[in-house]
Amino acid sequence: DAGITQSPRHKVTETGTPVTLRCHQTENHRYMYWYRQDPGHGLRLIHYSYGVKDTDKGEVSDGYSVSRSKTEDFLLTLESATSSQTSVYFCAISGSGAYEQYFGPGTRLTVT
Amino acid sequence: KQEVTQIPAALSVPEGENLVLNCSFTDSAIYNLQWFRQDPGKGLTSLLLIQSSQREQTSGRLNASLDKSSGRSTLYIAASQPGDSATYLCAVKGGVTQGGSEKLVFGKGTKLTVNP
Repeated sequence: DAGITQSPRHKVTETGTPVTLRCHQTENHRYMYWYRQDPGHGLRLIHYSYGVKDTDKGEVSDGYSVSRSKTEDFLLTLESATSSQTSVYFCAISGSGAYEQYFGPGTRLTVT
Repeated sequence: KQEVTQIPAALSVPEGENLVLNCSFTDSAIYNLQWFRQDPGKGLTSLLLIQSSQREQTSGRLNASLDKSSGRSTLYIAASQPGDSATYLCAVKGGVTQGGSEKLVFGKGTKLTVNP
């Protein structure tokens, strides 16, 4: 299995509070991604990174920010959590071009 | 915009049956196509990766084919077992409509149930 971990694995938070999810890899892959998975919508890309301090938006980036200060870590921040951000969040990693994408175990976030 | 469709959304078969899951995509200029498996409450496990220059890939009882010109891929599962029960997701990377990006676009999956 690819060396990719996510923390925390479960979190319950209140509306309006900031939340940060962490993705950590040991594979030295260039690309890192954050997805959310919701019933009826499938997997949707939030943000991705193509190098240290290089990030770009995905299709559902509103309300989320990311940072990557080291190759191995990619942080997803919800500045002010809302109930619509209740979801399962997955991190993924990949090399360039023809490489496979590998997924972390996921973080289940509940915003009350 | 690349769109990926998986049909059927759900499939129930008796144990031992051979089955085919379908995936179609709208932009044929892809880098690769990847099939994943997801068990309930779990993450995604990569099953097979087919590069754009390949026609098929095999792993054990699984065989995935790719027809870029028609925008289709199939995942063939031989001699299905109850342990194969899961959701199977198809995803494509790249495509002209995405600027040849490194992003994956996912289908919504096929939920497979193999009955003993």
